Parts: sequence; structure tokens; C-alpha cells
Amino acid sequence: QSVLTQPPSVSAAPGQKVTISCSGSSSNIGNNYVSWYQQLPGTAPKLLIYDNNKRPSGIPDRFSGSKSGTSATLGITGLRTGDEADYYCGTWDSSLSAGVFGGGTKLTVL
Amino acid sequence: EVQLVQSGSEVKKPGESLKISCKGSGYSFTSYWIGWVRQMPGKGLEWMGIIYPGDSDTRYSPSFQGQVTISADKSISTAYLQWSSLKASDTAIYYCVRLGSSSLRAHFDYWGQGTLVTVSS
Repeated sequence: QSVLTQPPSVSAAPGQKVTISCSGSSSNIGNNYVSWYQQLPGTAPKLLIYDNNKRPSGIPDRFSGSKSGTSATLGITGLRTGDEADYYCGTWDSSLSAGVFGGGTKLTVL
Repeated sequence: EVQLVQSGSEVKKPGESLKISCKGSGYSFTSYWIGWVRQMPGKGLEWMGIIYPGDSDTRYSPSFQGQVTISADKSISTAYLQWSSLKASDTAIYYCVRLGSSSLRAHFDYWGQGTLVTVSS
């Protein structure tokens, strides 16, 4: 059971938009920055979004992040088949004094 | 270019000890926290712990405290994850990560390629 809650799967057609939610509490998302990671099949995860809504160099603006209260959302527009991957949210949990991840969401581009 | 290069796959028996490594390059190794993340077969990511090579300050997730040891040798820019007595449930891919700022709460901006550890009798 992960500290952060994500939907197990989402799907959408190519060219469409999808959002992935990440729900937590005041001890984690509510008072800390959220980051998002993309894990393509058979590869190591990669940073997509940090500090709630910032994109590292090289990440296209099709990817966006937002946070409100104790929830965060990853948005992906202009979906491509190459976006099919597992997506994870992560943050610090002040009660645990440790980092935590969501359980991951599998994106299928139909 | 920042790189984290991990040691190769390992196959061990239950009860054996193991130490895997992660060599950082392309940045000041002593100025960033280094962490370890576990991914069990077909499962999600788990935050294990982090170390600040500059002063060896180490923090563990409660789930991993006492189960593993994280260390670093700053003279060779290498971090380690070790077990004294492996269990079958330690079978997983272990990723080395760099935290993106001096804060221990920071995101992971660089990831190693992963080390597959298989524990089987």
C-alpha cells in the first residue's frame, strides 16, 4: 500500500490529453514539492516534473504538473504511442522523514 | 555530463552478503545527496534511503532501516548499498539516484541504469 495514491491505469487516443492524479496528505504533498517520473518499458525511470510544475531541460511542454492542497496532477497533451509508460509521483513525507512514491500509473495510448 | 554507473547484475543465495555500487561522475560528488530506490518484479518504486557523501549523513526509510546499509567513499565518488544476509524477498532492481539539490527532500534528477539482484536457492 503506497503512501501516495495514483490510479492504476489511464488510457487515451493519440493526439488527445490525459491527466494522472496523485493523492496524499498534509504530511507529504500538502507541505512538500511533488515530482513526476516516467518509466518506459525495460528502462530506468526519468525525471519529468519537479517542484510541482517545473520541467527539466529536454522535457517537452506537452508535459505539465500542478498541485492543489494534498493532491497533484500530471498532464500530458498531444499523446503519442511513445508516451506509453508507467508514471510515478514522488515527494517527501515529513512524518516518515523519508521520501515516498505513488504506486504508479500505466498509460496506454490506444 | 552527469552519470551514475552501477555495478552489474548479481545472483546470490539466501543468507549471503552483498554490496552493490554506484559511481558518480560529471559533477561534485560530495555536494549532492545520493539515494537508492527498489523496484521489485512487476511492482512500483520504493524510496530506500539517501546519503550525503560530503559528511556521510545517512537517512533511511522506516521500511528499510536495519535491513540494508548505505555508505559512500568520496575518494572514488562511489556509493554503496549492502546486505548482510539476503532473503528471497530482496530480489529486485535497485536504482542509484542523485538528488537534484542540497535538500534531502529534493527530487531525483539523475538515475543509474539499475542493478538486478536475484536471490534464489
